[in-house]
Amino acid sequence: EIVLTQSPGTLSLSPGERATLSCRASQRVPSNYLAWYQQKPGQAPRLLIYSTSSRAAGIPGRFSGTGSGTDFSLTISRLEAEDFAVYYCQQYGASLTFGGGTKVEIK
Amino acid sequence: QVQLQESGPGLVKPSETLSLTCNVSGDSISNYYWSWIRQSAGKGLEWLGRIYGTGHANYNPALKSRVTMSVDMSNNQLSLKVNSVTAADTAVYYCARHRLDGLDIWGQGTLVTVS
Repeated sequence: EIVLTQSPGTLSLSPGERATLSCRASQRVPSNYLAWYQQKPGQAPRLLIYSTSSRAAGIPGRFSGTGSGTDFSLTISRLEAEDFAVYYCQQYGASLTFGGGTKVEIK
Repeated sequence: QVQLQESGPGLVKPSETLSLTCNVSGDSISNYYWSWIRQSAGKGLEWLGRIYGTGHANYNPALKSRVTMSVDMSNNQLSLKVNSVTAADTAVYYCARHRLDGLDIWGQGTLVTVS
């Protein structure tokens, strides 16, 4: 099983700042099938990024994903009020596993 | 648009079987894979497995012996069964459409408590 480790656990930032979230895999993610999801309290997760760097339909351009192999990241270029949430990475190249999440909170 | 809605008992006794249904509207279940995911209070997300519209399923190895998924083509529904439940199975259970570009559509989730 591919284990995904997300860091930091919590990111405290102000609106307008840049957020960079990390996701490290215990082994190479086949085909870089790595996705990112956003989850707000009481809601289901929402797909943001798939295949490492492709934005899902309707996702704003301030969200971007990069990486390959075992190291991946999600960047939110300028945080807006609605971006404060928990973010999960997920690999679907070998079965399917999720990371433990990073909470982006208002500083 | 495609919508998913989970339903089932909110309370299940220990050692019994948890049974949930996911109603899919707006598209045929035969065209995609569909995953079940759960989330315990304050915890992260756990993938339970996926099933194709034809009925072929893949399960999370950690839960494989207790989980069964099936499809009902006539009603465009998915079903999930988890047997021999314990308090550790208490969670919000989600169904989601599973495409090559990720889990792109999710249901709102349904809370199941084992007690």
